[in-house]
Amino acid sequence: SAVISQKPSRDICQRGTSLTIQCQVDSQVTMMFWYRQQPGQSLTLIATANQGSEATYESGFVIDKFPISRPNLTFSTLTVSNMSPEDSSIYLCSVDGAYNEQFFGPGTRLTVL
Amino acid sequence: KNQVEQSPQSLIILEGKNCTLQCNYTVSPFSNLRWYKQDTGRGPVSLTIMTFSENTKSNGRYTATLDADTKQSSLHITASQLSDSASYICVVIPTDSWGKFQFGAGTQVVVTP
Repeated sequence: SAVISQKPSRDICQRGTSLTIQCQVDSQVTMMFWYRQQPGQSLTLIATANQGSEATYESGFVIDKFPISRPNLTFSTLTVSNMSPEDSSIYLCSVDGAYNEQFFGPGTRLTVL
Repeated sequence: KNQVEQSPQSLIILEGKNCTLQCNYTVSPFSNLRWYKQDTGRGPVSLTIMTFSENTKSNGRYTATLDADTKQSSLHITASQLSDSASYICVVIPTDSWGKFQFGAGTQVVVTP
């Protein structure tokens, strides 16, 4: 199994500011995924991050709003830029494991005022 | 329209009782279907993983069933415990789109003493 940590665990931010969320994995992984979970809703994939290449964004998400870094095989960051109250969500990173397993981080709960 | 629909949205059960959660999906073809448990403030944790050819999979007091003909899955919780209070999420993985998992909105289960 993979152990994933995220920082910060929660934050309250002002409109117009940016927040960078860190995701650390205890083993090397090829693909890392970033999700958003809005209150009472499904998880929605934001982007897939491979080490050494540009992240691949899903429909409705753009790099200017959610820039992602993937400097090595154990770490990634997601930045939520120019935040508005609509960005208030839980942001989760995840990685693939063996046998079709998928592991999630504990999430970052973001509130934008 | 979400390709994975879960019901009920929420339920309250007495400790020791059984309950069944439903998942209807339209994703096709799919490689596997998963049930996750998400405790408040935590990331989802895998309970069961079933390939399209499997009918049932158990993990302790959790038993998942899959009917690929009717595109339905259920998660049965036996002899519920207070620690079962969580959101249970059904996830369907399309065959040709690894990483683009289809998440249900989850069923919020509250177990009361």
